[in-house]
Amino acid sequence: DAGVTQSPTHLIKTRGQQVTLRCSPKSGHDTVSWYQQALGQGPQFIFQYYEEEERQRGNFPDRFSGHQFPNYSSELNVNALLLGDSALYLCASSLGRGITDTQYFGPGTRLTVL
Amino acid sequence: SQQGEEDPQALSIQEGENATMNCSYKTSINNLQWYRQNSGRGLVHLILIRSNEREKHSGRLRVTLDTSKKSSSLLITASRAADTASYFCATDDVGGTSYGKLTFGQGTILTVHP
Repeated sequence: DAGVTQSPTHLIKTRGQQVTLRCSPKSGHDTVSWYQQALGQGPQFIFQYYEEEERQRGNFPDRFSGHQFPNYSSELNVNALLLGDSALYLCASSLGRGITDTQYFGPGTRLTVL
Repeated sequence: SQQGEEDPQALSIQEGENATMNCSYKTSINNLQWYRQNSGRGLVHLILIRSNEREKHSGRLRVTLDTSKKSSSLLITASRAADTASYFCATDDVGGTSYGKLTFGQGTILTVHP
């Protein structure tokens, strides 16, 4: 049973560029959440996708957008990259059945903005 | 914003000793989860405790939850060098539009010396 997978593992971009990160949820899961983790900090919630819709959003600017596909996989897009966007981006999957449930995290994508 | 605050920020012990980490949070929660992270990689789920539970065990792990004090503790018994990692608590807060938006603390860095 495959767990949560993310691609790419590492990415280097320059300021002003755009980036797309990808996530495949754990088998059987229909909800994907994205988190940003700066060095030395805990992860911060960006947004959550369920049934191809953004269901919740954290305090992140509109430069951060996402998408969920019919197979439940998801993309995170960041436009007009800033140096401060350098971080580990984590994807988590769960069942969106409206009850509390465990979230399973992928290995993350390390984004460096130069 | 950070909800949980872990204490201590760093903990250094010898193999075989017990390690206790504490987490405090601010708002009412649906559940609290503990995660482990090795060297800036993905988060590994350890245990979930629901708001109506007071204690939970999983192998060498024991978690307590005191909702009146808005605090939780994670005890790792008979620690091993392989337990060296960062440990985070994460709360799933009541009042969100749906479940699954986790709010993380800044983590406790545990070092277990052989």
